[in-house]
Amino acid sequence: DAGVIQSPRHEVTEMGQEVTLRCKPISGHDYLFWYRQTMMRGLELLIYFNNNVPIDDSGMPEDRFSAKMPNASFSTLKIQPSEPRDSAVYFCASSTAIYEQYFGPGTRLTVT
Amino acid sequence: GIQVEQSPPDLILQEGANSTLRCNFSDSVNNLQWFHQNPWGQLINLFYIPSGTKQNGRLSATTVATERYSLLYISSSQTTDSGVYFCAVEYSGTYKYIFGTGTRLKVLA
Repeated sequence: DAGVIQSPRHEVTEMGQEVTLRCKPISGHDYLFWYRQTMMRGLELLIYFNNNVPIDDSGMPEDRFSAKMPNASFSTLKIQPSEPRDSAVYFCASSTAIYEQYFGPGTRLTVT
Repeated sequence: GIQVEQSPPDLILQEGANSTLRCNFSDSVNNLQWFHQNPWGQLINLFYIPSGTKQNGRLSATTVATERYSLLYISSSQTTDSGVYFCAVEYSGTYKYIFGTGTRLKVLA
């Protein structure tokens, strides 16, 4: 299996622009998670899906953030408009049930 | 919410040395994982270990759920073991993993 795939690996954008991060989970996994990692806050869960349905989005920082999972093999995390404080590494992870999570390589986002 | 504390925060070892990393959590947990974040930022699964003991090569882990801690043992450390080690726990059926702040390990040649 190819593992969790994320794109792009690096994104540099200007403040105010829309950013879309993409994730392809491991085939057969029915849970998908989006995390953000910063020096100040560490790794924090933003949102997770079960069978393509958002279950808990309490970690989404504000309305500028949105996530979708239109099918079992694809999810997006969108930031609109982006701000410099959104700069972080964004990870996607997937799992079968809630057991062992597998992480993608991450997207390093820089907002200038 | 649950608190997850890892110790020590930083650790420097000579190649070949052994080490023990600790993860304490403040409430009962259903699931627990250990991860290694390598210097390139990738999070690598080490163990899924809600209870008991597991071993994988030079690494082993033990979770004593009733006493709310888990230990990660690294034996005969190598420079490739450098990075940050995270403990993550899921509790009370929340279906959310909470990560500790990590132990940063540096192994010197």
